[in-house]
Amino acid sequence: GAGVSQSPSNKVTEKGKDVELRCDPISGHTALYWYRQSLGQGLEFLIYFQGNSAPDKSGLPSDRFSAERTGGSVSTLTIQRTQQEDSAVYLCASRYSGTITDTQYFGPGTRLTVL
Amino acid sequence: DQQVKQNSPSLSVQEGRISILNCDYTNSMFDYFLWYKKYPAEGPTFLISISSIKDKNEDGRFTVFLNKSAKHLSLHIVPSQPGDSAVYFCAASDGDYQLIWGAGTKLIIKP
Repeated sequence: GAGVSQSPSNKVTEKGKDVELRCDPISGHTALYWYRQSLGQGLEFLIYFQGNSAPDKSGLPSDRFSAERTGGSVSTLTIQRTQQEDSAVYLCASRYSGTITDTQYFGPGTRLTVL
Repeated sequence: DQQVKQNSPSLSVQEGRISILNCDYTNSMFDYFLWYKKYPAEGPTFLISISSIKDKNEDGRFTVFLNKSAKHLSLHIVPSQPGDSAVYFCAASDGDYQLIWGAGTKLIIKP
């Protein structure tokens, strides 16, 4: 079956521009995560969606970052006025439920480069 | 502060030998631990997990050991194969939906 997909796979943008990253989770998965991985670092939690509950946005690094999940499925992560420190791989993961023992399935990521 | 630490950025092991990847944590509330494997240009994939009520979990060539008193876990791969060359991430949870991730260890299996 189809796994988690993300688009674009690579994005190069100029400082100050806005970017939008997309995640298509596995069908039927109620939980969705966004992470960021900078070079040589672990995965940094950004935001968590679970069903119709209010998302946990506690990991978003600044108000330039926002995310939404429409219809409980597709999610978009938007970064406004990009900065060079935003350069990283952005990973999306989905999970069947909110139970921690359920496996998180990751997409291949979007590599963002801000020039 | 780093709650989950993987102190070895890389590890090189001969094919057929045992690979041991280590992970230390500081939060005594963590009760569930996972290892993920990541190939270049792909997302991490789940490998094996362990609950704090156990001290060992085995799945084929992969075994995870948990030492709660030392706040240490390790992943053993035996025998190591070329396809095991990847970055391995350790992650931990205190039962909440968030996982806290280590920085990863790059495992290189030499032929």
